Amino acid sequence: DVKVTQSSRYLVKRTGEKVFLECVQDMDHENMFWYRQDPGLGLRLIYFSYDVKMKEKGDIPEGYSVSREKKERFSLILESASTNQTSMYLCASSSPARQGYNEQFFGPGTRLTVL
Amino acid sequence: DAKTTQPPSMDCAEGRAANLPCNHSTISGNEYVYWYRQIHSQGPQYIIHGLKNNETNEMASLIITEDRKSSTLILPHATLRDTAVYYCIVRGGAGGSEKLVFGKGTKLTVNP
Repeated sequence: DVKVTQSSRYLVKRTGEKVFLECVQDMDHENMFWYRQDPGLGLRLIYFSYDVKMKEKGDIPEGYSVSREKKERFSLILESASTNQTSMYLCASSSPARQGYNEQFFGPGTRLTVL
Repeated sequence: DAKTTQPPSMDCAEGRAANLPCNHSTISGNEYVYWYRQIHSQGPQYIIHGLKNNETNEMASLIITEDRKSSTLILPHATLRDTAVYYCIVRGGAGGSEKLVFGKGTKLTVNP
């Protein structure tokens, strides 16, 4: 059974802390993604990576960075957490699209609260 | 911005077919239509995708109009577990962007 796992289901941090959200996939996928989901705003793409050490900004990268040192692991870093980064964070992975097929597999999400 | 328009919410009776519409009037020739759903407190889950032909799998059917400007996802016999937010997404095929742009989706409520 394919699996995307995220390091924590719930996380509470204080303003100004450095926060690491970890995502691991066991499907040997090239692509990995980080989204955040907020009520009324849907899912928004923060960063994605299409290969080890490669990354591209998504729609809302400000205040975040990412790291992909190994193919199976994609980390989202909040350098100095702020209250407006309180959100649900979702990680996903996929293989490169072939003949239109591009299924992204999602993890269960991490609900981050910044106090 | 999402390239699709969906109703914000729909209701369906358990055991009946749920027909979820999606407008994508600006779709281009090499773009596919994808459907995902998100059950409460879970990550989104892929359902089905298509280019221009109708598609069916074990979860649902996808009907795409001939002009490809709209489509309908059909859940033939909705159950309570199908209550979720359903997202219609348009994206390019092989060689196109790997990103999916999620809009706000349709919240489907299946009632007993």
